[in-house]
Amino acid sequence: GAGVSQTPSNKVTEKGKYVELRCDPISGHTALYWYRQSLGQGPEFLIYFQGTGAADDSGLPNDRFFAVRPEGSVSTLKIQRTERGDSAVYLCASSLSTGAGANVLTFGAGSRLTVL
Amino acid sequence: AQSVSQHNHHVILSEAASLELGCNYSYGGTVNLFWYVQYPGQHLQLLLKYFSGDPLVKGIKGFEAEFIKSKFSFNLRKPSVQWSDTAEYFCAVSNNAGNMLTFGGGTRLMVKP
Repeated sequence: GAGVSQTPSNKVTEKGKYVELRCDPISGHTALYWYRQSLGQGPEFLIYFQGTGAADDSGLPNDRFFAVRPEGSVSTLKIQRTERGDSAVYLCASSLSTGAGANVLTFGAGSRLTVL
Repeated sequence: AQSVSQHNHHVILSEAASLELGCNYSYGGTVNLFWYVQYPGQHLQLLLKYFSGDPLVKGIKGFEAEFIKSKFSFNLRKPSVQWSDTAEYFCAVSNNAGNMLTFGGGTRLMVKP
């Protein structure tokens, strides 16, 4: 597609529920990134994929968070047993490649998660 | 680990005023530097970037930024702001492997008409 598409745009859930957030990157972009932006803060890195594999998942806060990209295109961020502190905007971005001089990310509009 | 500091959290200017937003980073190696902008209700967009070469970088909409290596800074400037520049501005840095962007906390700019 023309841009990075994220669904749902808004998700309200109850504490303890399971949530999936989807990202459809720009066609041909091999690198895909997930960030989390809490109110009043800058985006915080969670995980990035190069192709199908998670090349760096050091930003995932704990084992309730997991992400997959099985075919190297669409990615799903999965959050188990949601907590109120998980409320944030989850941003997805993609880029043509990683490596020196190539890391220009295009961001989606984000998925706003609210945990009641 | 790299980190980014944006010291101004909120800035209010009148139209035609000059703008300078501070950005300092902490990283010992070669870095790539970015400014992203988020207009109200819109997604993050790239404003400008620095990889190498001329340390004075021109971006879209009349913005520019200067990389000063000795000060670990990459301040954003615009000589004359417009009401449409009202937005939140984020400075970001990646290392030369380019596989992760670290963002500052953002500066919220309000331009009064």
